[in-house]
Amino acid sequence: QKEVEQNSGPLSVPEGAIASLNCTYSDRVSQSFFWYRQYSGKSPELIMSIYSNGDKEDGRFTAQLNKASQYVSLLIRDSQPSDSATYLCAASSGGSYIPTFGRGTSLIVHP
Amino acid sequence: DAMVIQNPRYQVTQFGKPVTLSCSQTLNHNVMYWYQQKSSQAPKLLFHYYDKDFNNEADTPDNFQSRRPNTSFCFLDIRSPGLGDAAMYLCATSRDTGGRIYEQFFGPGTRLTVL
Repeated sequence: QKEVEQNSGPLSVPEGAIASLNCTYSDRVSQSFFWYRQYSGKSPELIMSIYSNGDKEDGRFTAQLNKASQYVSLLIRDSQPSDSATYLCAASSGGSYIPTFGRGTSLIVHP
Repeated sequence: DAMVIQNPRYQVTQFGKPVTLSCSQTLNHNVMYWYQQKSSQAPKLLFHYYDKDFNNEADTPDNFQSRRPNTSFCFLDIRSPGLGDAAMYLCATSRDTGGRIYEQFFGPGTRLTVL
């Protein structure tokens, strides 16, 4: 059974710090990885996709993928209180349009 | 702006009273999904359509039905809602963005309350 594991948190960081969110996956043939941000009571919003080993940067967000170790991470630099949300990690195998979601990590950025 | 729209945003129903939730999209995506999400849980896939092909997850209760009359619209029918069906219902869409990669885009969700 495909699984995506995330620490539920909450992860608490001070404003301006780097928040590091981690995710591991069990399906070795997973090729596409997604990070979603979900504010309380709202729907998930896609913030990053990554498909190749290494880092991918978009503004304050950096996604990191290590397929050999089967983990994906999301770094948020200069964290802001508005980044406080649950971050969902999802993975899908090549050609699959059905991702497997993790339960999410709650991030709290305090002033 | 291209988007995924869900109506209503909030739905209150009585135990056993049927409800229909709707989803429409202007993204022209060929894949549409219905998810159920409860507090602090991952979204749970109920159904999906690949073009006109309907796929029902094995553990989706028979109480849940879906229709996709055309590319843009999709409906979720809950025939006899129980208290356990209270949740956020999320519609999502995707398409092959190249290299057989599908990025999902979610609508705002419908919060269902069952009294």
